Amino acid sequence: DGGITQSPKYLFRKEGQNVTLSCEQNLNHDAMYWYRQDPGQGLRLIYYSQIVNDFQKGDIAEGYSVSREKKESFPLTVTSAQKNPTAFYLCASSIGGQGPYEQYFGPGTRLTVT
Amino acid sequence: GENVEQHPSTLSVQEGDSAVIKCTYSDSASNYFPWYKQELGKGPQLIIDIRSNVGEKKDQRIAVTLNKTAKHFSLHITETQPEDSAVYFCAALNRAGSYQLTFGKGTKLSVIP
Repeated sequence: DGGITQSPKYLFRKEGQNVTLSCEQNLNHDAMYWYRQDPGQGLRLIYYSQIVNDFQKGDIAEGYSVSREKKESFPLTVTSAQKNPTAFYLCASSIGGQGPYEQYFGPGTRLTVT
Repeated sequence: GENVEQHPSTLSVQEGDSAVIKCTYSDSASNYFPWYKQELGKGPQLIIDIRSNVGEKKDQRIAVTLNKTAKHFSLHITETQPEDSAVYFCAALNRAGSYQLTFGKGTKLSVIP
């Protein structure tokens, strides 16, 4: 089955710890994205990558870091510098380049930091 | 940057009635407008999209209309069913920028049996 997988589904961490969220896709998509979703809010873009070994900051990149060493994988690290890390994190991918533009989402990881 | 406003934030309809959700966008350069359906605890699922060279698109009970002059687009669901209950998000993409999607804040649709 083609798709996007995110693991784990639920993640709990203590304040002050870094945590890495996994995102893998087997759709052969060039572009990948990380969004954050808070209750009653739309999706806000954290980072995106249009191609391997390249990524760009989105609207709310502070306190987060990413890497894109492989086409299939785009892990997100939530650092201790992120002031409000508890949220639902969504990874997405798209073909990239000149389009089409459809973004397909994974099932999400709910991170709780106490 | 782009700004997308979505209304209403909540919507309740009787089963079989129609539901309409409206969005406005600010950047006239935006040229792609998808709609996503998100069920509780899951990732958003693309249900329909429209490009700026088209005024209307239909897929069975779902339709989207786009008014480029007024910079607004709408989702229409006819003959609603309980399984249509979910949160719906609109979005706009500015191709002239960085291919980023800007999302509305969502509409929680409840279909009452």
